[in-house]
Amino acid sequence: EAGVVQSPRYKIIEKKQPVAFWCNPISGHNTLYWYLQNLGQGPELLIRYENEEAVDDSQLPKDRFSAERLKGVDSTLKIQPAELGDSAVYLCASSSRDSSTDTQYFGPGTRLTVL
Amino acid sequence: RKEVEQDPGPFNVPEGATVAFNCTYSNSASQSFFWYRQDCRKEPKLLMSVYSSGNEDGRFTAQLNRASQYISLLIRDSKLSDSATYLCVVHNDYKLSFGAGTTVTVRA
Repeated sequence: EAGVVQSPRYKIIEKKQPVAFWCNPISGHNTLYWYLQNLGQGPELLIRYENEEAVDDSQLPKDRFSAERLKGVDSTLKIQPAELGDSAVYLCASSSRDSSTDTQYFGPGTRLTVL
Repeated sequence: RKEVEQDPGPFNVPEGATVAFNCTYSNSASQSFFWYRQDCRKEPKLLMSVYSSGNEDGRFTAQLNRASQYISLLIRDSKLSDSATYLCVVHNDYKLSFGAGTTVTVRA
C-alpha cells in the first residue's frame, strides 16, 4: 500500500513569493492533516480535514495561508506571500477515521526555505 | 505553558544499555497517548500507543501516570538503530499535540 505522498520534497523561494504544497493521502483515508514542524520542535497542526470539509483550521494563519481539499482526496496548502519565518517542514498526514484509536500516517514532508 | 513537555536530551548511551525518559502533559482531560519516533530528516512514525496499565512492545515499555500527568518510555538493550528522536504525543478532541522530542543516541 502506498503511503502519504507529498511534493515537492524541497522548495527554495524568495520572501514575498507564493508557494504551494501538494499531498495525496493513503487511499481510503478520509481525514487529512497539515502540520508545520520547525527545527527542534514537534509538528504543530495547521488544519484538519474530514473529507472535503476543514473541521479545524484554528491554527492556520489565514492572512497568508490557505488550503483546499476539493474532492476529499488530494490537498493543497498555499502560502502567499511567504515570509522568512515560514521556513520549516510542512508535513501532511492522514488517518482512516478521526478518532483517538487511529494512527496518523505522515508523508515525508516538504522542506521549505525562504530566502 | 506548552501542552506537552519533554526533556530534549540528548541521551547518549552505549549499546545494550537501558534508557528511559518522560514527558508531561498539561491537559488532565487528555484522552490517549502515544510515542512516535522520528529519524533525522524523516517523518514521524508511530512507535506505540500508551495504555493506562502500561504496555510493552519488545524492548520498549511505555507507562502512563494520569495522576501526575506524565508518560514514560523505557528502551532496554539499546541498539544502534534506536538512535532517533522520540516524540511524546497526546490526543485531545481529535487533535494530536506533539512534544518537541527527546533525542537518543546509541553508540557502539
